[in-house]
Amino acid sequence: QSVLTQPPSASGTPGQRVTISCSGSSSNIGSNTVNWYQQLPGTAPKLLIYSNNQRPSGVPDRFSGSKSGTSASLAISGLQSEDEADYYCAAWDDSLNGPGWVFGGGTKLTVL
Amino acid sequence: QVQLVQSGSELKKPGASVKVSCKASGYTFTSYAMNWVRQAPGQGLEWMGWINTNTGNPTYAQGFTGRFVFSLDTSVSTAYLQISSLKAEDTAVYYCARDLEDCSGGSCYEWFDPWGQGTLVTVSS
Repeated sequence: QSVLTQPPSASGTPGQRVTISCSGSSSNIGSNTVNWYQQLPGTAPKLLIYSNNQRPSGVPDRFSGSKSGTSASLAISGLQSEDEADYYCAAWDDSLNGPGWVFGGGTKLTVL
Repeated sequence: QVQLVQSGSELKKPGASVKVSCKASGYTFTSYAMNWVRQAPGQGLEWMGWINTNTGNPTYAQGFTGRFVFSLDTSVSTAYLQISSLKAEDTAVYYCARDLEDCSGGSCYEWFDPWGQGTLVTVSS
């Protein structure tokens, strides 16, 4: 059971806009920024969004992130077939049981 | 360019040990911490902990104490993950990931970039 909650799957047709949610708590998303990683099939994760809504150079502006309270979202507009991948949210957790990075369980995006 | 190159796949028997390497290039190795992340087959990402590449001080996440050891060889810009007394449930892909931090705005924000290509460790008799 992951600390951050993501839907296990999402889908859309080419050109559509899809959003992926990430729900946490006051000890993680509520008090720290959220990062998103894209994992294409058979490859290592790659940074997609950092600090809630910042795109690294080279990431298309079709990808955007937002955060409100204890939830965050990743939006992909103009969906393309190459966007088919697993997407993970991550945040630092200030838990007294042991601070550290926590991830969502991942969302598998299918482009229909 | 900045990259992390990990050692190749390993097949080990239960009870054995394994050492995974992560060689950094394209940046000053000791300027950025290194994280380790595990991904079991068909599962999500799990943070194992990190090592301060300046001091060599490791920090282990819950569930990764005792059999897991992070180490460094700064002379060759390489981080290591050693796992002892291997169990079948250690079968996974292990990733190293550089820790980036931005404290320019008064608060500090961190993220992982880049990641190594991953090392598959298979534990089977």
